[in-house]
Amino acid sequence: SQKIEQNSEALNIQEGKTATLTCNYTNYSPAYLQWYRQDPGRGPVFLLLIRENEKEKRKERLKVTFDTTLKQSLFHITASQPADSATYLCALGFSGGYNKLIFGAGTRLAVHP
Amino acid sequence: DVKVTQSSRYLVKRTGEKVFLECVQDMDHENMFWYRQDPGLGLRLIYFSYDVKMKEKGDIPEGYSVSREKKERFSLILESASTNQTSMYLCASSSQSWEQYFGPGTRLTVT
Repeated sequence: SQKIEQNSEALNIQEGKTATLTCNYTNYSPAYLQWYRQDPGRGPVFLLLIRENEKEKRKERLKVTFDTTLKQSLFHITASQPADSATYLCALGFSGGYNKLIFGAGTRLAVHP
Repeated sequence: DVKVTQSSRYLVKRTGEKVFLECVQDMDHENMFWYRQDPGLGLRLIYFSYDVKMKEKGDIPEGYSVSREKKERFSLILESASTNQTSMYLCASSSQSWEQYFGPGTRLTVT
């Protein structure tokens, strides 16, 4: 069956450390993968997009990797801050699909001072 | 800045009522989407639209219908609300740049 999995347990880390979140999928062949941030009671906000032919993408303190062989994406936040505390969602996108996305359930990140 | 607005932040309805959720975007986006979000299940696509009057079913369309009469507006309709439709409803829009822009969500409670 088709699945997209993110760590269901919350990730607790200390301020200043690097947070690493995982997104695994099975029986999908995405053309691209996106990461979103969602704060409580709000809609998700787009962070980064990485295409199937890209290994790594960076934006400020954020880094995303995409391994189509392992069917996995890793999302890193370096020098994490309490303001980075939120739920992070990964989403798979497909070519010719009107930008339709399949979302994971998200991982909650808590950064402690 | 792209803005997606939803008609209500919180809504309480009774079982059997017809419910309308409205979504408006101001960036002339072709694509619009309705999702519901439940704990542990993530966002699930109900319906989407890629043009005025065009719509396609998502993964969980049962019990819902949609309307897109104008490009900027996409409505979700619950024909006869049931308690299992209690959820957070999120609207999103996108152009050809692939990322989706979300509204603030409507938390619907059906009693």
